[in-house]
Amino acid sequence: GQNIDQPTEMTATEGAIVQINCTYQTSGFNGLFWYQQHAGEAPTFLSYNVLDGLEEKGRFSSFLSRSKGYSYLLLKELQMKDSASYLCAVIVAGNNRKLIWGLGTSLGVNP
Amino acid sequence: ETGVTQSPTHLIKTRGQQVTLRCSSQSGHNTVSWYQQALGQGPQFIFQYYREEENGRGNFPPRFSGLQFPNYSSELNVNALELDDSALYLCASSGGRDTRSYEQYFGPGTRLTVT
Repeated sequence: GQNIDQPTEMTATEGAIVQINCTYQTSGFNGLFWYQQHAGEAPTFLSYNVLDGLEEKGRFSSFLSRSKGYSYLLLKELQMKDSASYLCAVIVAGNNRKLIWGLGTSLGVNP
Repeated sequence: ETGVTQSPTHLIKTRGQQVTLRCSSQSGHNTVSWYQQALGQGPQFIFQYYREEENGRGNFPPRFSGLQFPNYSSELNVNALELDDSALYLCASSGGRDTRSYEQYFGPGTRLTVT
């Protein structure tokens, strides 16, 4: 079966650093995405990892360990606007681009 | 360059009715994926169309069907609506030459309410 696990909720303080973890067990693996979704809006792309290691993009970084079926999203210098749901999604191996999604982690940033 | 658009934005239907949702993909993208997102849940993959053919399907019954047109726009049809079909339906396009082809760009979604 396909399974992606993320914490349901997290809270952090403005200016702090927060790490959101994602573990996956899927029938195949062609890469892992992180998306941000504000309430009532569509998901927006944050990062893509297909090789082990850390990808840094501004305040956001994403890490992947394929052998452990594990990824994390690191958010630095948190801002109030970072309050959103963060979704982890895996491209399952195959000819298509089928994504298996986690339920999302709702992040609240407090002043 | 226009983004992904969906219509309508909101829709209310009665149980047993049929509904058609529409999606225009981003310019240059040849792949459209449809997702169902219930409140508080992550998106669930319904199916994907690539160059007018179904290119993968999730765990949804046959009453969920789709089409992709030569201009790569797409429709999602749902027959015999059930109360549990109430959700946000998201369309995402991908496959453009100017971006990494795996990255999906989402439309704003259609909020379907079945009463």
